[in-house]
Amino acid sequence: ETGVTQSPTHLIKTRGQQVTLRCSSQSGHNTVSWYQQALGQGPQFIFQYYREEENGRGNFPPRFSGLQFPNYSSELNVNALELDDSALYLCASTNNRDRGETQYFGPGTRLLVL
Amino acid sequence: AQSVTQLGSHVSVSEGALVLLRCNYSSSVPPYLFWYVQYPNQGLQLLLKYTSAATLVKGINGFEAEFKKSETSFHLTKPSAHMSDAAEYFCAVSDPYGGSQGNLIFGKGTKLSVKP
Repeated sequence: ETGVTQSPTHLIKTRGQQVTLRCSSQSGHNTVSWYQQALGQGPQFIFQYYREEENGRGNFPPRFSGLQFPNYSSELNVNALELDDSALYLCASTNNRDRGETQYFGPGTRLLVL
Repeated sequence: AQSVTQLGSHVSVSEGALVLLRCNYSSSVPPYLFWYVQYPNQGLQLLLKYTSAATLVKGINGFEAEFKKSETSFHLTKPSAHMSDAAEYFCAVSDPYGGSQGNLIFGKGTKLSVKP
């Protein structure tokens, strides 16, 4: 069974640029959530995708957007990058949106905005 | 709104000593609670979870946590620390009201150091 994978592992961008992060969910999982983890903080929920539709969003502006594909992999896009967007971006997948279901996390993409 | 508070951003113990990491939550409905561990430069790994079954939950690597409704707590313990336990630990509650079922609300984390 393949776990959750993310690419790239590290990325450096400049303020104002756009970035796309990718996530492959664990085999059999149809739900993907994205989290932002700033340095020294716990992860914060960005949004969730279920069967290719956005299924809930945290307190993030519209310049954070995403996609989910038929194979349940997902992308996180961030436009007009700001310095505060520097963080570790984590993707998590699950096969059930139930509250008690375990989310399986990928290793993350570390984004640095200069 | 649901929230999680982890007391102590940094805990240091000696190898073989008891590990106690504290977590308190606020939730207006019966909570589902999780402990995750994060090793340097890695993602999060589930240690254990509480989903309204037994109040004492056993997890991986010898960790356990007890759900205490009266204290709104879900503290993580391990009887004897090992050097390999050095990592950051996050307590999380599952948000019952968010637009998405099951998204997690995390505490700020506790970094555990283990001294030889």
